[in-house]
Amino acid sequence: GDSVTQMEGPVTLSEEAFLTINCTYTATGYPSLFWYVQYPGEGLQLLLKATKADDKGSNKGFEATYRKETTSFHLEKGSVQVSDSAVYFCALSDRRQTDKLIFGTGTRLQVFP
Amino acid sequence: GAGVSQSPSNKVTEKGKDVELRCDPISGHTALYWYRQRLGQGLEFLIYFQGNSAPDKSGLPSDRFSAERTGESVSTLTIQRTQQEDSAVYLCASSLEGYTNTEAFFGQGTRLTVV
Repeated sequence: GDSVTQMEGPVTLSEEAFLTINCTYTATGYPSLFWYVQYPGEGLQLLLKATKADDKGSNKGFEATYRKETTSFHLEKGSVQVSDSAVYFCALSDRRQTDKLIFGTGTRLQVFP
Repeated sequence: GAGVSQSPSNKVTEKGKDVELRCDPISGHTALYWYRQRLGQGLEFLIYFQGNSAPDKSGLPSDRFSAERTGESVSTLTIQRTQQEDSAVYLCASSLEGYTNTEAFFGQGTRLTVV
């Protein structure tokens, strides 16, 4: 079945460092891809999404490109801030499976000043 | 309300007891989802309600788990005869339609501990 694999954390960075969180997926169809973020004490929030190959999702300085050839959707940010410290979840949705989201295990990011 | 509300936020129960978890979605959202997150693991799909369609129950792990939704409003997830492996955070989300087209909004979850 469909699945999502993302890098284990925690990822620890200094402020202004470059961030990459890897995400790869397995899907039989043509899924939509998402990154969700969970800040401390808050619920999951959609960060960005891409619905077809070569689309780039972006929000709050984060970007991810839907790469069908490598089945990847890596999350990147050029300069992280302390406020970016959170848990990041990669997910996919396949409309043939009634739109339910399939999540990765989450990657905790810790940014220090 | 302004967001998805779940109650209780924390629940400790004895093994073998039944529990009910409640989710109040955002008003007007036709789609509602339940997920489970065990410690150190990803979110596991449980059940999906969409309007008046039959719910997708394919993620419910056993017949001890059931969920109901009244129209397009409140949903209740019931776990009967709880077991220790049921300990997890149970998350509810709602959206205007399915995920592909519209953003899903998550509640803060109910942390269930079975002792």
